Amino acid sequence: DIQMTQSPSTLSASVGDRVTITCRASQSISKWLAWYQQKPGKAPGLLIYGASSLESGVPSRFSGSGSETEFTLTISSLQPDDLATYYCQQYNSYSPTFGQGTKVEI
Amino acid sequence: QVQMVQSGGGVVQPGRSLRLSCAASGITFTNYIMHWVRQTPGEGLEWVAVLSHNGDNYYADSVKGRFTISRDNSQKTLYLQMDNLRPEDTAVYYCAREGYSSGSAPTFDIWGQGTMVTVSS
Repeated sequence: DIQMTQSPSTLSASVGDRVTITCRASQSISKWLAWYQQKPGKAPGLLIYGASSLESGVPSRFSGSGSETEFTLTISSLQPDDLATYYCQQYNSYSPTFGQGTKVEI
Repeated sequence: QVQMVQSGGGVVQPGRSLRLSCAASGITFTNYIMHWVRQTPGEGLEWVAVLSHNGDNYYADSVKGRFTISRDNSQKTLYLQMDNLRPEDTAVYYCAREGYSSGSAPTFDIWGQGTMVTVSS
């Protein structure tokens, strides 16, 4: 299986800050990388697919970039509603795998 | 409004069985490939099983031979039959609709609310 590693594990930031989360794949996954947001007590929700395409309805302050083995999720101006844990997921190979998550604290 | 409502789950002893259900509404259920994904505090999110339109199913190695995914299209319901449960199967289980795909693997664009399964003596 392809291993996905996120950093940092926890991130503390203030409202209005620019926030960046990194996800690294153990082997090349081309552009097949998705990001999810999970709020406390809720199911994950799809934010970004194809490394940089924004899912319908997701605020434009979220953006993704990267390819092959290194990817980033950026929140351009952190809002109180962004308190959540963020997960990356590769879908390059059979058996999709997830990163361990990055908890964003406001 | 697209919604997937889960039921089942609970506390069960090792070696016993449990069945989870996931009822979909607001979608043409037969059009979609459906999955189960589970989440534990230690292991994080883990894909469990998939059931395609034509009945093909695939499983994670960790559950192969013990879990069975099925669907009733007339009831718009997805199932996960879990047999010979182990303590390491303890997790929140989510049903999820397949979204975008690379052709080899999917993303998940709609999720159920999750249901807790605890395997303990």
